[in-house]
Amino acid sequence: GEDVEQSLFLSVREGDSSVINCTYTDSSSTYLYWYKQEPGAGLQLLTYIFSNMDMKQDQRLTVLLNKKDKHLSLRIADTQTGDSAIYFCAESFNDYKLSFGAGTTVTVRA
Amino acid sequence: DAGVTQSPTHLIKTRGQHVTLRCSPISGHKSVSWYQQVLGQGPQFIFQYYEKEERGRGNFPDRFSARQFPNYSSELNVNALLLGDSALYLCASSLATGLEKLFFGSGTQLSVL
Repeated sequence: GEDVEQSLFLSVREGDSSVINCTYTDSSSTYLYWYKQEPGAGLQLLTYIFSNMDMKQDQRLTVLLNKKDKHLSLRIADTQTGDSAIYFCAESFNDYKLSFGAGTTVTVRA
Repeated sequence: DAGVTQSPTHLIKTRGQHVTLRCSPISGHKSVSWYQQVLGQGPQFIFQYYEKEERGRGNFPDRFSARQFPNYSSELNVNALLLGDSALYLCASSLATGLEKLFFGSGTQLSVL
């Protein structure tokens, strides 16, 4: 199966941490990804994690992977107004395509 | 360095017409992928091309076709347009066949009336 599921909306106060969650179905996925999409723009690769890793940290971003539960999360520390966007979780499938979730709309309020 | 460039940025067509969308990958990238993003949904995979050969195809009808040229640029063609083809069409490029770093263009917004 290729279903990737995410919660649709997240509202967070500026300066707080955001946590976006995702579940995926293909246990053979090699990589799992987080992409960001701002209004009227394409997708920006934020970070990705290899499937044999549990955690990856990149500046304000922390990715956690629980392979047993097929659960992926993205934590954004010190969330800023510029972090308001749609965040997509994706898994690699068959080595040539990405399967995306429907996206989580993150709204940062002052 | 220029990123992935797509043209046109916006397009309006009527049902039954044909459309061609164009994509230039990042310099040095040999693989191009196409995705369709319907409003409110995540992108759906259409095709991947590497070295001018089709490596994969998503669950789209034969009205959708693509090709990759010797300079690694690509075209996506859609025949007999339907209202449901209205979407943002995204092109992505990568160095080779791996998916670890896929870079997306800003897309072509297609509206079918």
